[in-house]
Amino acid sequence: DGGITQSPKYLFRKEGQNVTLSCEQNLNHDAMYWYRQDPGQGLRLIYYSQIVNDFQKGDIAEGYSVSREKKESFPLTVTSAQKNPTAFYLCASRIAGGGDTQYFGPGTRLTVL
Amino acid sequence: QKEVEQDPGPLSVPEGAIVSLNCTYSNSAFQYFMWYRQYSRKGPELLMYTYSSGNKEDGRFTAQVDKSSKYISLFIRDSQPSDSATYLCAMSAAFTGGGNKLTFGTGTQLKVEL
Repeated sequence: DGGITQSPKYLFRKEGQNVTLSCEQNLNHDAMYWYRQDPGQGLRLIYYSQIVNDFQKGDIAEGYSVSREKKESFPLTVTSAQKNPTAFYLCASRIAGGGDTQYFGPGTRLTVL
Repeated sequence: QKEVEQDPGPLSVPEGAIVSLNCTYSNSAFQYFMWYRQYSRKGPELLMYTYSSGNKEDGRFTAQVDKSSKYISLFIRDSQPSDSATYLCAMSAAFTGGGNKLTFGTGTQLKVEL
């Protein structure tokens, strides 16, 4: 059963803590993406990776970090430098040469207490 | 001004109505157009994908692209309560060289009432 999984579904963080959101895909997709979704603002791109061991900043990368050590995995760390981290985080993937269609995971809701 | 504009709604229609959802855009380089459906607290799921101008039909859904007007539409025929969701338009330019980034509209919230 192929797809994209994100964990945890809900995450609570105290101010000043770093937290890591997991994203795994078994679709054999090459490219992976992290978005942030806030009410009334649509999806904004945080980071993306087109190949293992390589990733690029998106439009709102400040306060976030990623790694891409395996094709299947693209974890996102929300650092204490991110001033307003409460949001819904979505991971997506795309197959190389598959047009621009991206497929999304179920999301992680992060709340800062 | 945003690159992609989408009326946030909410849009409320009776069951069985034809729904029209729209997005306008300003970047003439956009050539790939997508519609995603997102239920509350879930990830977006791809509904329709079109390249350049024209129409594409899939069951009760029809996507239209008018590049001359920089306007795209999604029509839902015989709408059902299960269609109640937020609909996101997304688009990208060919050969972006930047990971094929998508630009999203803010989404239109649709409610289909019994």
